[in-house]
Amino acid sequence: DAKTTQPNSMESNEEEPVHLPCNHSTISGTDYIHWYRQLPSQGPEYVIHGLTSNVNNRMASLAIAEDRKSSTLILHRATLRDAAVYYCILSDTLHGSSNTGKLIFGQGTTLQVKP
Amino acid sequence: GAGVSQSPRYKVAKRGQDVALRCDPISGHVSLFWYQQALGQGPEFLTYFQNEAQLDKSGLPSDRFFAERPEGSVSTLKIQRTQQEDSAVYLCASSSQGWGNEKLFFGSGTQLSVL
Repeated sequence: DAKTTQPNSMESNEEEPVHLPCNHSTISGTDYIHWYRQLPSQGPEYVIHGLTSNVNNRMASLAIAEDRKSSTLILHRATLRDAAVYYCILSDTLHGSSNTGKLIFGQGTTLQVKP
Repeated sequence: GAGVSQSPRYKVAKRGQDVALRCDPISGHVSLFWYQQALGQGPEFLTYFQNEAQLDKSGLPSDRFFAERPEGSVSTLKIQRTQQEDSAVYLCASSSQGWGNEKLFFGSGTQLSVL
């Protein structure tokens, strides 16, 4: 499984945008980029995913570099409830017996949001 | 509820005891995953089911760990002769089909403490 690199921690002020970076230099052409977040005492929660094009949903935006070797999760206006660990994960979309959709988590980025 | 349900929420076991952790996935979801999360770490993959078939158990740390999903819905993770190093949060997740571009839905986990 391709690996990702994220900063251990980041800080943001409430109601300001947050840009969470992720490097994945060994990404293959069929790897999707997923973002999950984990609030304290909860299981991980899906945030967004994409393949090549930038993606937007109600929670966040995902900006994917043209060469796909990096991506950025954008929270447009951080709230205190966005304080969590954010995981950037790659998953292989190739069909076949080895494609289970399992996600391999790294250490993630701990986001602190200051009021 | 419509989410993934895990029970018990907390489990305390004496070293050497056997424990059984239950996961109720989202109804109709084909794929089911178990993860282990040690304190301060990201979730680590344990095993994967597609319906009742256990297709990947590469992450199970020892033969004391056993998982089953006999009817393709509810799953049980059993740990025999628990050790202190088994103390962790055990997370269950399900997805509709299990392809790499699908989102996983996680439960809140079972926190296991082995004394």
